[in-house]
Amino acid sequence: NAGVTQTPKFRILKIGQSMTLQCTQDMNHNYMYWYRQDPGMGLKLIYYSVGAGITDKGEVPNGYNVSRSTTEDFPLRLELAAPSQTSVYFCASSYSPGFTEAFFGQGTRLTVV
Amino acid sequence: QKEVEQNSGPLSVPEGAIASLNCTYSDRGSQSFFWYRQYSGKSPELIMSIYSNGDKEDGRFTAQLNKASQYVSLLIRDSQPSDSATYLCAVNMIADSSYKLIFGSGTRLLVRP
Repeated sequence: NAGVTQTPKFRILKIGQSMTLQCTQDMNHNYMYWYRQDPGMGLKLIYYSVGAGITDKGEVPNGYNVSRSTTEDFPLRLELAAPSQTSVYFCASSYSPGFTEAFFGQGTRLTVV
Repeated sequence: QKEVEQNSGPLSVPEGAIASLNCTYSDRGSQSFFWYRQYSGKSPELIMSIYSNGDKEDGRFTAQLNKASQYVSLLIRDSQPSDSATYLCAVNMIADSSYKLIFGSGTRLLVRP
């Protein structure tokens, strides 16, 4: 029962470096989401995807890019990391967005120094 | 105006009491509403979903929805120390021809033994 798998679990980046956060799901879900959660705060939607080849911006997309070439994978790319991107990142997926729950990965804790 | 609003808390209740958590949302067209529980350092997990006006009960949890007032609430009866967590309200909002799942900032609940 893998569900939604995120890698890595932890990462420290230097300012200006780039990295890709990986997310894969094995539930054949159409919808996938990337959120960030700052300490003591709720989840902010970065990008989401309604299916392979289709992505759209969420509430806080600046500084990030995504792609969705397959149903299973939804990587999040950080270019030119900044301290403001220090956060916990969650990937989630749902079968249909309206009436089914979203399942979350275990999160990636990213620190930019 | 934030799309989904919650009081950040903490809401402190004694063991055995009823905890009442509230959420308001801005999009009148929203059709589905969720309550997630998040323990410190963990991923959010779904505890309730509600789609039509009125009450929905599941064990000690009751979700209440009033679309006219754009208001969702969660009642936890017979609160236990293990219920101490952050409760996130989430709303599926229509965006063009797709949906995006937007979260509130969460309410921290403390149940005192």
